[in-house]
Amino acid sequence: DSGVTQTPKHLITATGQRVTLRCSPRSGDLSVYWYQQSLDQGLQFLIQYYNGEERAKGNILERFSAQQFPDLHSELNLSSLELGDSALYFCASSAGQGASDEQFFGPGTRLTVL
Amino acid sequence: TQLLEQSPQFLSIQEGENLTVYCNSSSVFSSLQWYRQEPGEGPVLLVTVVTGGEVKKLKRLTFQFGDARKDSSLHITAAQPGDTGLYLCAGAGYGQNFVFGPGTRLSVLP
Repeated sequence: DSGVTQTPKHLITATGQRVTLRCSPRSGDLSVYWYQQSLDQGLQFLIQYYNGEERAKGNILERFSAQQFPDLHSELNLSSLELGDSALYFCASSAGQGASDEQFFGPGTRLTVL
Repeated sequence: TQLLEQSPQFLSIQEGENLTVYCNSSSVFSSLQWYRQEPGEGPVLLVTVVTGGEVKKLKRLTFQFGDARKDSSLHITAAQPGDTGLYLCAGAGYGQNFVFGPGTRLSVLP
């Protein structure tokens, strides 16, 4: 158990819909990262927040957005969903904001878009 | 854009054999990390290497960071079925975002 929690574990929805994925970091960690993992693209970095502020942005689509709240939990919002958005979405947390900081990954949310 | 390549993509070996997997890039990385991911779970950090030429050992696993900090290797001695999983290297170049390689999927047969 990494100490990072993600909800829901599974999500099935239809094209065009909007969903919200939730992540609670390990106690004391200030950074939250979001990743998308699909069979053909591997693990892709989407976005990082540090203490409520956006810290780094990766391959995140404009249809996707995220935020980190004052209690440090984070949400990833996916809208206008397409079939290709079906993937595992992981949240990770770390104590600091550096690239070499150890990241602890949650169990993931499996999104299926029908 | 910095990219990490990993080889081989798939590896199936018998219990007790040794193996090496590789992680390569054309970019210099400030540090590299190795993760192992099991089906249905998130990646788990195995090691971070920071200094060019650095060698780190974790029981039967030996990690090396290339002198030029563009490549890394993971050597497993006497592999066991419990070593089965997806091995991912990851890192960030100076001022760059964190990236993962595509992974090496290892299967150790009893």
